[in-house]
Amino acid sequence: EDQVTQSPEALRLQEGESSSLNCSYTVSGLRGLFWYRQDPGKGPEFLFTLYSAGEEKEKERLKATLTKKESFLHITAPKPEDSATYLCAVPDTGRRALTFGSGTRLQVQP
Amino acid sequence: EAQVTQNPRYLITVTGKKLTVTCSQNMNHEYMSWYRQDPGLGLRQIYYSMNVEVTDKGDVPEGYKVSRKEKRNFPLILESPSPNQTSLYFCASSPLFRGLTGELFFGEGSRLTVL
Repeated sequence: EDQVTQSPEALRLQEGESSSLNCSYTVSGLRGLFWYRQDPGKGPEFLFTLYSAGEEKEKERLKATLTKKESFLHITAPKPEDSATYLCAVPDTGRRALTFGSGTRLQVQP
Repeated sequence: EAQVTQNPRYLITVTGKKLTVTCSQNMNHEYMSWYRQDPGLGLRQIYYSMNVEVTDKGDVPEGYKVSRKEKRNFPLILESPSPNQTSLYFCASSPLFRGLTGELFFGEGSRLTVL
């Protein structure tokens, strides 16, 4: 059974203080790893797809990287508007579903 | 504006009183799905549909029903709600199941409380 584990559960940063979120996964054959952002009271919003180890994707202050066992979401010089819960997921094509981690709740203080 | 619309957004009901949560998308997507989100358990799939009249169970289908009579609509039915169905529900859609891109479009959620 596919498993996705995210750490830390919560992270509080000062504005401008860079850090990384971790997503480790156990799957029978990786067919992609996905990052989503979820704001309070909203549905998840797609950020990135990574397909193979060594791949990187960037969007504004966010950079996602992938190894054979985990993915990192690096946040460079975060701003308060980056505060959200970040979710990672892998596809379970047998069930036509995404298997999500429990998320990292990020708070960036001004 | 491309969107997935769920109603109601908030609902408090009592055990055993049938309810329906509606979901509608305006993007002509073939694939639609329902997830529930619970603290510590993350998002778990309830049911999904690959197209009109084609539905299948997800990870946690017990106590739920769905139907897909039109491409744009995918209602979630709780015929006899119980307190363990208290949760935050999300509807999602995509053009077919983009298993390789993972890009699902989510609604804003329906918070359901069953007393």
